[in-house]
Amino acid sequence: EVQLVQSGAEVKKPGESLKISCKGSGYSFTSYWIGWVRQMPGKGLEWMGIIYPGDSDTRYSPSFQGQVTISADKSISTAYLQWSSLKASDTAMYYCARPLYSSSWYGFDYWGQGTLVTVSS
Amino acid sequence: SYELTQPPSVSVSPGQTARITCSGDALPKQYAYWYQQKPGQAPVLVIYKDSERPSGIPERFSGSSSGTTVTLTISGVQAEDEADYYCQSADSSGTYPYVVFGGGTKLTVL
Repeated sequence: EVQLVQSGAEVKKPGESLKISCKGSGYSFTSYWIGWVRQMPGKGLEWMGIIYPGDSDTRYSPSFQGQVTISADKSISTAYLQWSSLKASDTAMYYCARPLYSSSWYGFDYWGQGTLVTVSS
Repeated sequence: SYELTQPPSVSVSPGQTARITCSGDALPKQYAYWYQQKPGQAPVLVIYKDSERPSGIPERFSGSSSGTTVTLTISGVQAEDEADYYCQSADSSGTYPYVVFGGGTKLTVL
């Protein structure tokens, strides 16, 4: 059974750093892209970027380029999303997701449960 | 930047047909995908490649494409279909394609 299990909720202060994780299981982790999606409170879905764990090829949405870093450790089948200096506007639910097809970026058919990040002084 | 445009809300009575549209200039060249999201839950893929239905998705969900508009149709709407629906496609105008979501449509079952 394919599963994406994300790390737990975080409460941080502005300016702090953070790294959240997404562990894949039940499939070949290195053969599928993993994407990250932001959902701010009461708002819609926003695609942040995507990584291919097989070779760590990473692409970012222009809106998130330079704001976050996406990485992966294929030895433990885990993808990461990190911030070096959080802002209050980073408060959101963050999802990782896997596309339907190993060759595709699109059509996420498996999703993590989400990680709620709250940034408040 | 590339945008996909959805109506903010659609309302239908149980048993009727709901149609949710998504418009974007690149849709004639790029497939569309549709997601259902209920409160407090992760999104669920209900349509891929414009009109294909993943296994486990009821047959009442269907998708179609015409020019710069794609449509998610839910036939015989049930109360459990009340949710937010998002379209997704790609912007391939840049150095590499990147994924774009529509703003979402809240489906209310009256």
